[in-house]
Amino acid sequence: GENVEQHPSTLSVQEGDSAVIKCTYSDSASNYFPWYKQELGKRPQLIIDIRSNVGEKKDQRIAVTLNKTAKHFSLHITETQPEDSAVYFCAARKGAAGNKLTFGGGTRVLVKP
Amino acid sequence: DADVTQTPRNRITKTGKRIMLECSQTKGHDRMYWYRQDPGLGLRLIYYSFDVKDINKGEISDGYSVSRQAQAKFSLSLESAIPNQTALYFCATSDSTTDTQYFGPGTRLTVL
Repeated sequence: GENVEQHPSTLSVQEGDSAVIKCTYSDSASNYFPWYKQELGKRPQLIIDIRSNVGEKKDQRIAVTLNKTAKHFSLHITETQPEDSAVYFCAARKGAAGNKLTFGGGTRVLVKP
Repeated sequence: DADVTQTPRNRITKTGKRIMLECSQTKGHDRMYWYRQDPGLGLRLIYYSFDVKDINKGEISDGYSVSRQAQAKFSLSLESAIPNQTALYFCATSDSTTDTQYFGPGTRLTVL
């Protein structure tokens, strides 16, 4: 089955700096890659996603990039703010919309003021 | 607002006890999932259901069973709880036309 690896497991950045989280996946048939954010004590929520026919997607201060050849994708957060402190999960899915997701191990991001 | 709810939110039980975690949703979604969250291991899929008559094992189904009582309800059971099942359990829902999964608030389970 699909395997998703996520690095780093923890990331500490100064407020205003950028943060990058990387994920690799094993199944070349995967075609959808979401990112979920989980604030302390809260439920995970989708923040951005990318499909295999797109190389990059941006939404304000966050962006995702996808390299299908290398089978990896990354989350970029620019101008980090304290409210960006959370655990971030990447995931991969193959097949049709609504199929199950395989999640990475998560990255705990701490933004220091 | 349409939501996903879980009961109980916290539970402490003893080794060998049977326990049931319940999930309900008012989103009208057909697909429901049970995940387990452990530090450093992310969200691991236990079971999932694409409709009332469709139940599938996830990557870590051993020691767990599920029941889809209705489109809106999906229960997870631990027939004989053991300490390494201590974790945070999340239910999630989605529909067949979109990929976004909506998570419940989680159930923190401790097995002594």
